[in-house]
This record gives sequence, C-alpha cells and structure tokens, in this order.
Amino acid sequence: DAGVIQSPRHEVTEMGQEVTLRCKPISGHNSLFWYRQTMMRGLELLIYFNNNVPIDDSGMPEDRFSAKMPNASFSTLKIQPSEPRDSAVYFCASSLVAYTDTQYFGPGTRLTVL
Amino acid sequence: AQSVAQPEDQVNVAEGNPLTVKCTYSVSGNPYLFWYVQYPNRGLQFLLKYITGDNLVKGSYGFEAEFNKSQTSFHLKKPSALVSDSALYFCAVRDHSSGNTPLVFGKGTRLSVIA
Repeated sequence: DAGVIQSPRHEVTEMGQEVTLRCKPISGHNSLFWYRQTMMRGLELLIYFNNNVPIDDSGMPEDRFSAKMPNASFSTLKIQPSEPRDSAVYFCASSLVAYTDTQYFGPGTRLTVL
Repeated sequence: AQSVAQPEDQVNVAEGNPLTVKCTYSVSGNPYLFWYVQYPNRGLQFLLKYITGDNLVKGSYGFEAEFNKSQTSFHLKKPSALVSDSALYFCAVRDHSSGNTPLVFGKGTRLSVIA
C-alpha cells in the first residue's frame, strides 16, 4: 500500500490567495483526520471524517478554513483567504476505525503564506 | 475529558544508554494509549499501542512501553539508544468511554541521542 498521500508537499502563496490541500487516505480506511503542526501550538486536530461525513470540526480555526470529503478516497482542506499565520505543516491521517484504531499519517504539506 | 502530558520538552541521552520518554494521561474510564515518532520533515509514524492485556507493550525499532494504571503513565523505553533514534516523540490517549472522540496528542518530546 502506498500509505496516505498528500499533495502538494510544499506550497508557497501570498496572503489573500486561496489554498487547497489534498489527501488520499489508505484504501479501505473509514476515517480521515486533518491536523496542523506549528512550533508554537504543536499538533492540532482540525477536523475528522467518518465514512465521508464530518464528525467534529471544532478544531477548525476560522470560517476561512473548510474541508470536504466527497468520496472515500479523497479529501481537501481549503483556506480562503490565506493569512501568514496559517503557515504550518498540515497533515492528513487515516484509520480503519475512527476511535480505536491506529492513525496513519501522510508526509504533510508545508504551507508558507507570505 | 481526556488529556495527556509529556513533562519533558527535551531528553538527551548518550548512545548505548537506556532511554525513557515520559507520558502521563488522564481519562475517566480505561485508556487507549499510543506512541508515535516523527523524524525531520516527515509525518508521524506509529510505534506501539496499548489497548488491553499485557502491561508491557513491544513496538517497532526495539521500543517498548509500560502501562501503569496506578500512576496513569505510559513511558516509552529502549534499552540501548541509537543516534538514529533522535526524533520527536508523541504520546496519545483516548478514553474507551468517551463516545465519538478521537485521539488526543501530547505536545511531543524531542529526543537527542549523542554519539
């Protein structure tokens, strides 16, 4: 298995631009998680899906952030408009079962907003 | 509510010496406990987990962890550290009885193994 796939691996954009991060979970996994990692705040859970349905988005920082999972093999995290404080590494993870099973992380997308 | 604490931001150990990375947790019921490792510019990698059963859990790369219910701890250990073990280590917990809540991760402990 290829593991969790994220694209792009690096993204540099200017403040105010729309950013879309993509994730392909491991085939057969039913749950998908989006995290953000910064030096200041550590690892933060933004949102997670179970069977393509968003379960908890309380970690999404603002209305500028949105996430979708149109099918079992694809999810997006969108930031519109982006701000410099959104600069971070964004990770996607998937698991077979949301609440008890091991999460497998993708390599991350390093986002820099100038 | 569930929470996890990693009391040390940084742990330094000489190569060949035993290492311990500490983790304590707080849950209402029984915990699921995990350790992950993150190498530079990589995603988190699963090391080991405790769900139930034997308190001593063995994982990848020679790591092990001991579940101690009375001390609410799940410390990560390795008998002989390697320079290649230098990385960021995360402990995570979930309460069995917490309904539809996912894992809660600690802030991470940076392990530095010195040759």
